[in-house]
Amino acid sequence: DSGVTQTPKHLITATGQRVTLRCSPRSGDLSVYWYQQSLDQGLQFLIQYYNGEERAKGNILERFSAQQFPDLHSELNLSSLELGDSALYFCASSVAPRPDYGYTFGSGTRLTVV
Amino acid sequence: DAKTTQPPSMDCAEGRAANLPCNHSTISGNEYVYWYRQIHSQGPQYIIHGLKNNETNEMASLIITEDRKSSTLILPHATLRDTAVYYCIAHQGSGGSNYKLTFGKGTLLTVNP
Repeated sequence: DSGVTQTPKHLITATGQRVTLRCSPRSGDLSVYWYQQSLDQGLQFLIQYYNGEERAKGNILERFSAQQFPDLHSELNLSSLELGDSALYFCASSVAPRPDYGYTFGSGTRLTVV
Repeated sequence: DAKTTQPPSMDCAEGRAANLPCNHSTISGNEYVYWYRQIHSQGPQYIIHGLKNNETNEMASLIITEDRKSSTLILPHATLRDTAVYYCIAHQGSGGSNYKLTFGKGTLLTVNP
């Protein structure tokens, strides 16, 4: 157990639907990162939050949004889902928004869009 | 971030040292070298990072050449559980606002019995 909790572990949904993925960071970590991993794209950075504020953005689609709440948990919202959104979604956390602190990843949410 | 180049795959015998190379010839002075690994479909796991000096922790050793253009991750006594994709990433450790680690394709290390 890495200390980063992601729920749900698996999610199957239909095209056009909307889902919310949840991440609870490791105790004491203020920064949260979201990554998408599909078979053909590898690990792609989506977005980063630090203490409730957005700090960095990757190639996140406009259909996707995220936020970090006052209790530091984060949610990634995916809407108007397409078949190509099927992927593993990982959340990572760190003490501060700096990679030299080392990121701790959760076990991921496997999203299947049918 | 500086581009990193890793071999797509490597094999290692169980109990032997695994030496995973990484080329980062365009690395800048403030960029660290980070190593992560991912065991099949699990979340990536931080291994080690360094700037100039060699580093060692309970998992591995990181050897960075004097010119910083390449590095080697060493797993001293590889076990079957070390079979994973290993990612080498060059990125600045602090300063600025761009803290996103960019993962490439990595090296699939297969430890054989």
